[in-house]
Amino acid sequence: AQSVTQLDSQVPVFEEAPVELRCNYSSSVSVYLFWYVQYPNQGLQLLLKYLSGSTLVKGINGFEAEFNKSQTSFHLRKPSVHISDTAEYFCAVIRSPNDYKLSFGAGTTVTVRA
Amino acid sequence: GAVVSQHPSRVICKSGTSVKIECRSLDFQATTMFWYRQFPKQSLMLMATSNEGSKATYEQGVEKDKFLINHASLTLSTLTVTSAHPEDSSFYICSATDSSYEQYFGPGTRLTVT
Repeated sequence: AQSVTQLDSQVPVFEEAPVELRCNYSSSVSVYLFWYVQYPNQGLQLLLKYLSGSTLVKGINGFEAEFNKSQTSFHLRKPSVHISDTAEYFCAVIRSPNDYKLSFGAGTTVTVRA
Repeated sequence: GAVVSQHPSRVICKSGTSVKIECRSLDFQATTMFWYRQFPKQSLMLMATSNEGSKATYEQGVEKDKFLINHASLTLSTLTVTSAHPEDSSFYICSATDSSYEQYFGPGTRLTVT
């Protein structure tokens, strides 16, 4: 069975500091990986995705993630956060190439403080 | 980018009544739409997958007679919560895909059943 584990439920961070959100997945087949951000009372916005190719993926708002097959990880990073990055972040994976269904992690709440 | 809208954004209804939520893809044809439910401080739970012109596929544990899904066209899917009860109160989010591995999410609908 495929699952996604986000290791940190809450991450407090000071403005302009770096942040890393950890995501591990379990799967025996090729995967397609995503990071989404959700602001309060809103839907999800795609930050970045890995489908194939370079394992370092750059997304919107200065975020990037690295796909590590040997460690089955897809950690999200940003070198310098802003107050506006305060939000809920979800790691997700497509279960199989023939299935468009997403499995989501439990989410990580990022709170950026001045 | 692709835009998905939901209507209404918020709805309050009395226990025992039915509520319809619309999900529209505004600038692309959505071959598949998904309906999710999200409880406070939790991740998204996939309720059902909807393909245009065919019956929706429900996830295990989701009552198909309570959550009626209609995908009448390539741009519109509706979710009807029948005989709503307070425990149905939740944030409902739809997403749509054009058969790529990316899902485009709507802004969500907050349902409160009194």
